[in-house]
Amino acid sequence: QKEVEQDPGPLSVPEGAIVSLNCTYSNSAFQYFMWYRQYSRKGPELLMYTYSSGNKEDGRFTAQVDKSSKYISLFIRDSQPSDSATYLCAMSAGNQGGKLIFGQGTELSVKP
Amino acid sequence: KAGVTQTPRYLIKTRGQQVTLSCSPISGHRSVSWYQQTPGQGLQFLFEYFSETQRNKGNFPGRFSGRQFSNSRSEMNVSTLELGDSALYLCASSLAPGAYNEQFFGPGTRLTVL
Repeated sequence: QKEVEQDPGPLSVPEGAIVSLNCTYSNSAFQYFMWYRQYSRKGPELLMYTYSSGNKEDGRFTAQVDKSSKYISLFIRDSQPSDSATYLCAMSAGNQGGKLIFGQGTELSVKP
Repeated sequence: KAGVTQTPRYLIKTRGQQVTLSCSPISGHRSVSWYQQTPGQGLQFLFEYFSETQRNKGNFPGRFSGRQFSNSRSEMNVSTLELGDSALYLCASSLAPGAYNEQFFGPGTRLTVL
């Protein structure tokens, strides 16, 4: 079993929809949680960064971390065609330097 | 502010050859990490460098190695290439090691092994 599980999709939604992306994990030592967006043939771009449990909002994006359930989410409001990309969750325990453990990535398509 | 740069962007090699990939971090960033991305395994951590020292290593064979220079630039080397080494190799930089420092990725080097 992988340390981080993420539904690979693909996920297709109409423009303007609310998108929910999720990851579950098994390592209770994870304390740092990130969401990256990766466009085709590009490197991952950091979207959200959260420490421990709680919510963080940035524009149309909201990240939630529930450590008791070992579950993290990314919500995208008013989704746009430009949001079409692969979304990767990543986590770290903090005691292994900068080593990040990634989910498989969810491929999102927002249709006009 | 320039982002992370990686060279070359594309590379084609044959089995048994070796390859060297280069990464220049964001100005002021002193920590560099390397990741391998494949469709089957996703993104996997290779190693992390800070102050010219390897701080952390992933679960890859010894054919994969790296180094960091005094200007924080980093190289990774793969010797005796195998078909399974075909992947996108990504470099990420941060101010310092540690998960509390945000990591920023470069565009990657796409390696194809024939």
